[in-house]
Amino acid sequence: DTAVSQTPKYLVTQMGNDKSIKCEQNLGHDTMYWYKQDSKKFLKIMFSYNNKELIINETVPNRFSPKSPDKAHLNLHINSLELGDSAVYFCASSPTGGILDTIYFGEGSWLTVV
Amino acid sequence: QKEVEQNSGPLSVPEGAIASLNCTYSDRGSQSFFWYRQYSGKSPELIMFIYSNGDKEDGRFTAQLNKASQYVSLLIRDSQPSDSATYLCAVPNQAGTALIFGKGTTLSVSS
Repeated sequence: DTAVSQTPKYLVTQMGNDKSIKCEQNLGHDTMYWYKQDSKKFLKIMFSYNNKELIINETVPNRFSPKSPDKAHLNLHINSLELGDSAVYFCASSPTGGILDTIYFGEGSWLTVV
Repeated sequence: QKEVEQNSGPLSVPEGAIASLNCTYSDRGSQSFFWYRQYSGKSPELIMFIYSNGDKEDGRFTAQLNKASQYVSLLIRDSQPSDSATYLCAVPNQAGTALIFGKGTTLSVSS
């Protein structure tokens, strides 16, 4: 069973479109994250939710809107896609969000905006 | 804003050698440090974490922490071609609510 699963794995779309990436974890963790990894492989936190509550909202354009219907799910919706949004988006989870927590990553969603 | 610095490499070592990966961090108050490995096209996975000064060993991997000098290292003994990957150093952010990653060091082990 995949612990952190995200769909779709690959997404190619045109500029200006709106798209969503879904994420689910079956680990019973309280905290979920969205990370973005750009073409230079730099992995950067975007959002963090703890038990459905937004904890972190880094300096991300408001075209990006996360939604957590329950603590096992954290979806990412992106409006008006731009070329610079092309990246790999990793969903992740951790037990409590504490400083000694291991973060478990999903397999990533490769987004290409053309 | 905490920062984590790593030499992007690539670091090339022959099979069987010791690979030494280094990471420096900006916040003297950082308490825990993580090493993740990321194979090309895959997601990062935890190798080990360390929060006490000194060495922590796990199999062929040893993490070394020097808080006074603000650096943390990862040594890989008896390097194997399967160790070829990007190694990411990470520390918790100021609030301790997420990890801040370095840009990673790419390791290449040649057989």
